[in-house]
Amino acid sequence: GAVVSQHPSRVICKSGTSVKIECRSLDFQATTMFWYRQFPKQSLMLMATSNEGSKATYEQGVEKDKFLINHASLTLSTLTVTSAHPEDSSFYICSAHGRDEQYFGPGTRLTVT
Amino acid sequence: AQSVTQLGSHVSVSEGALVLLRCNYSSSVPPYLFWYVQYPNQGLQLLLKYTTGATLVKGINGFEAEFKKSETSFHLTKPSAHMSDAAEYFCAVSDPYGGSQGNLIFGKGTKLSVKP
Repeated sequence: GAVVSQHPSRVICKSGTSVKIECRSLDFQATTMFWYRQFPKQSLMLMATSNEGSKATYEQGVEKDKFLINHASLTLSTLTVTSAHPEDSSFYICSAHGRDEQYFGPGTRLTVT
Repeated sequence: AQSVTQLGSHVSVSEGALVLLRCNYSSSVPPYLFWYVQYPNQGLQLLLKYTTGATLVKGINGFEAEFKKSETSFHLTKPSAHMSDAAEYFCAVSDPYGGSQGNLIFGKGTKLSVKP
C-alpha cells in the first residue's frame, strides 16, 4: 500500500521555540494532505487541509499564524508550530490523499517543556 | 453536520471471543464509512471501508463491518479475537459529495483489550 512518512517521530522543544514537522508521500503524489491533532486518549481532530500550491484551509478554532502549513510539492507538506507552548504538546498526524483513500503517517509526538 | 458515535470507550474480550465494536453516524446523506486501527504511538491503519455496493465489507486481519442504512450503523466485528487485536479502533465518516478527497470525521475511539 501507499506509504506516508513523518519526521521527526518525536521531538522535545523549549517553550517559545518553533518546530517543523514534515509529512511525505513516498510512492505517490498527493495534491491534498490533512493535518490532525490527537490529545491523549482522544480522537483525531482535523486541524487543516493542505493543498499543493495554494493556501491551507484551517478548521475553526485553529490559529493559522501559529500552525503554519506549507505544501510546496506534491509529495511534501510541512507543519510548523510557532512559539510553542506546553499546551501545544500533542500527537500530530498527517494524512495524504492517494488513489481512493487517505493514507496516514505514523505521527509525531511533540513535547513542549 | 456529520457526527460519529462509538458506544463504549473501552471493550474487553477474551481471546477467541467475538469482537463487536459499535459505530453510529448521523448524516443527511449516506456517507462513506471507515474503520481504522491505531497501535500505541503509531498512526492509523485502514481496516476497511464502505463507499457503495455490498453492505457487508470485509477488511484486513479478519475484521468485517456491515452498513445498515436503516440503523445508521457500521459496527465492526471479528469472530475470534486475537491478542494482537488489542489496540484503539476509530470509526470515521466522510461526505460522499466531497468524494474521497473529503476530510474525515472521527469517532472518539474504542480501546479493545484482549484477555488471555
